[in-house]
Amino acid sequence: AQTVTQSQPEMSVQEAETVTLSCTYDTSENNYYLFWYKQPPSRQMILVIRQEAYKQQNATENRFSVNFQKAAKSFSLKISDSQLGDTAMYFCAFMKITGTASKLTFGTGTRLQVTL
Amino acid sequence: DTGVSQNPRHKITKRGQNVTFRCDPISEHNRLYWYRQTLGQGPEFLTYFQNEAQLEKSRLLSDRFSAERPKGSFSTLEIQRTEQGDSAMYLCASSLQDGLTPYQETQYFGPGTRLLVL
Repeated sequence: AQTVTQSQPEMSVQEAETVTLSCTYDTSENNYYLFWYKQPPSRQMILVIRQEAYKQQNATENRFSVNFQKAAKSFSLKISDSQLGDTAMYFCAFMKITGTASKLTFGTGTRLQVTL
Repeated sequence: DTGVSQNPRHKITKRGQNVTFRCDPISEHNRLYWYRQTLGQGPEFLTYFQNEAQLEKSRLLSDRFSAERPKGSFSTLEIQRTEQGDSAMYLCASSLQDGLTPYQETQYFGPGTRLLVL
């Protein structure tokens, strides 16, 4: 079974600054996906960024980028130029690649507060 | 494309009552997932459908839970004889697995149904 660990329950960053959220995972699989999802207060979960394990290049989406260290099983999210709208719960998630089941295994989340 | 929708958004019920939630996936998405999220935790997988077939159920899904996806479109999740421990946010997600790009699957989530069992 896969496990996902987010060791930072809460973090705070000032607007325009950079923050990094940590995520580690445990799996015996070689091919898988990793995701960061954002869940704003009282709003639905949305995908922030996705990384395929077979790709060595780190994924980037505008202000969001990841540091994927496959050997260390680490998948951190860096948010640059933080904005007030980035305030949310951030969940790291793992997806095993199979022919059928593609369920997500989530971590417990990191609550990020962006302040003025 | 209006996204994944779920109804109702909130449900308060008394212990022992039955409740049913509905999920409407993004049109043309053939996979539909149900997750449960309790306070302070990440979502946990419950079950998933490919078209109308229910292909996997979690051990979390007790006999009191049943899910359907008739005709491969919307899905319903029913909880019979609710217990206080069923209080949670129930999330639905959908994705498109077209078989041509097996490694390109992203799940899109609905707003959830928050259940409170008194």
